[in-house]
Amino acid sequence: QVHLVQSGAEVKKPGASVRLSCKASGYTFTRYYMHWVRQAPGQGLEWMGTINPSSGRTSNAQKFQGRITMTRDTSTRTVYMELSSLTSEDTAVYYCGRSSNLDYWGQGTLVTVSS
Amino acid sequence: EIVLTQSPGTLSLSPGERATLSCRASQSVSANYLAWYQQKPGQAPRLLIYGASSRATGIPDRFSGSGSGTDFTLTISRLEPEDFAVYYCQQYDNSPQTFGQGTKVEIK
Repeated sequence: QVHLVQSGAEVKKPGASVRLSCKASGYTFTRYYMHWVRQAPGQGLEWMGTINPSSGRTSNAQKFQGRITMTRDTSTRTVYMELSSLTSEDTAVYYCGRSSNLDYWGQGTLVTVSS
Repeated sequence: EIVLTQSPGTLSLSPGERATLSCRASQSVSANYLAWYQQKPGQAPRLLIYGASSRATGIPDRFSGSGSGTDFTLTISRLEPEDFAVYYCQQYDNSPQTFGQGTKVEIK
């Protein structure tokens, strides 16, 4: 069965960067795009970007342009999302999700940005 | 970007009642690349409906999706206790993908 397992919670200071991981299992890793979605406390869902695990090509929301980097390691079936220049507004739960219709989700990673 | 507006913001219903949730897009969503998700507190969202009307694997048939173009609907035919949650629509036709702001279905 499909599983997406994300890395653990992070606490970062403003201005820092955070790198999150999402390890996939139970399907052919390179056949499905992986997406990143975040949810600030008490708020809705926000799409951040996507990576093609086969080619490594990425696309992201304009809002995160210049701050987000998505990579993948096909040998470990893992995708990574790094977000830089963190502010308190980046405090959120970050999810990875498979495919454009997000048919499977990771459990989420809480990132807290606080001085 | 395509803006999705969900209504109502909150729906107060009793178990056994029918729930009708609306999602309106600011421009046409082609090929019905419209999905619905359910989210319970402290959990990741769960895909219910994709392609506007196709149920995801394991989703009970009391959940149904309909609509096309700019107007979409999620219907829960008879609410079960476990259906009280927040529901989001999402379009994955155009980049950036966007979500509606959510509809909370609460127990009356």
